[in-house]
Amino acid sequence: GEDVEQSLFLSVREGDSSVINCTYTDSSSTYLYWYKQEPGAGLQLLTYIFSNMDMKQDQRLTVLLNKKDKHLSLRIADTQTGDSAIYFCAGGAAGGTSYGKLTFGQGTILTVHP
Amino acid sequence: DTEVTQTPKHLVMGMTNKKSLKCEQHMGHRAMYWYKQKAKKPPELMFVYSYEKLSINESVPSRFSPECPNSSLLNLHLHALQPEDSALYLCASSQDTAGLAGGFLGTGELFFGEGSRLTVL
Repeated sequence: GEDVEQSLFLSVREGDSSVINCTYTDSSSTYLYWYKQEPGAGLQLLTYIFSNMDMKQDQRLTVLLNKKDKHLSLRIADTQTGDSAIYFCAGGAAGGTSYGKLTFGQGTILTVHP
Repeated sequence: DTEVTQTPKHLVMGMTNKKSLKCEQHMGHRAMYWYKQKAKKPPELMFVYSYEKLSINESVPSRFSPECPNSSLLNLHLHALQPEDSALYLCASSQDTAGLAGGFLGTGELFFGEGSRLTVL
C-alpha cells in the first residue's frame, strides 16, 4: 500500500515563503492532494496535481511534483498568520476499488510568526 | 452547495449508550466516507460507500455500524464504545468511484465535513 511521509513541523515569519515537503512510495498514485486543517475544523482541499504534471500554480500556492524521486512540495508565497494550520498531503489512485481511498501523510504543523 | 454537513458537532456518550452521527451532502456525489482522526494525527479511513453500497470496511470493530439510507445521507451508529474511540469523526464525499461507473470520472478529491467530536466516558 501507499506510504506518505511529511516533516512534522515548520515555522516561518509572516511574509516569508513556506515550503512543505512530502514523499510517497506508491507510483500508481494518480492524484496527489494538499489539505489544510485548522484547529477544531475539518479538512479543506487546497489544491491537487495529476501525476502527469510537474507543477501547478494557484494564486499563492505552487505545487511541485518530482515523479522520479516521488517527492511533492507545497510552496505558500507571502505566508500569513491565517495560514497557520496542519497541512496534509495525500495520494489517491484513479480507478478500481481504490478510487477515493486516500492515504494521508502525518501532517505538517505550520506556525507563522508575526 | 459544496458542503458536507455533519451533526452533531460534539457528542459525549457513556460506554453503554447508543448514539448516531449523521452526514449529508447535496452535491450529487455517489461516494461517501467515514474517517476517524485522533488529535494531531492524519485521518484514518473507516468505511466507503459507493452508490449506497458498502464497498470498503477497513476492519472496523462492529461497535461502529455505518448506514447509507440514500445517496445524500450517511450515518454512523455507535454502540458500546470504548474511551479510546474518542476522536474527531469526519465524513467526506466524492464525485464517483470509477470501479462502478466504468472508466475514470472526476479527480477523486474528497470534500470533508467539519467533523463530529466524540468523547466516550
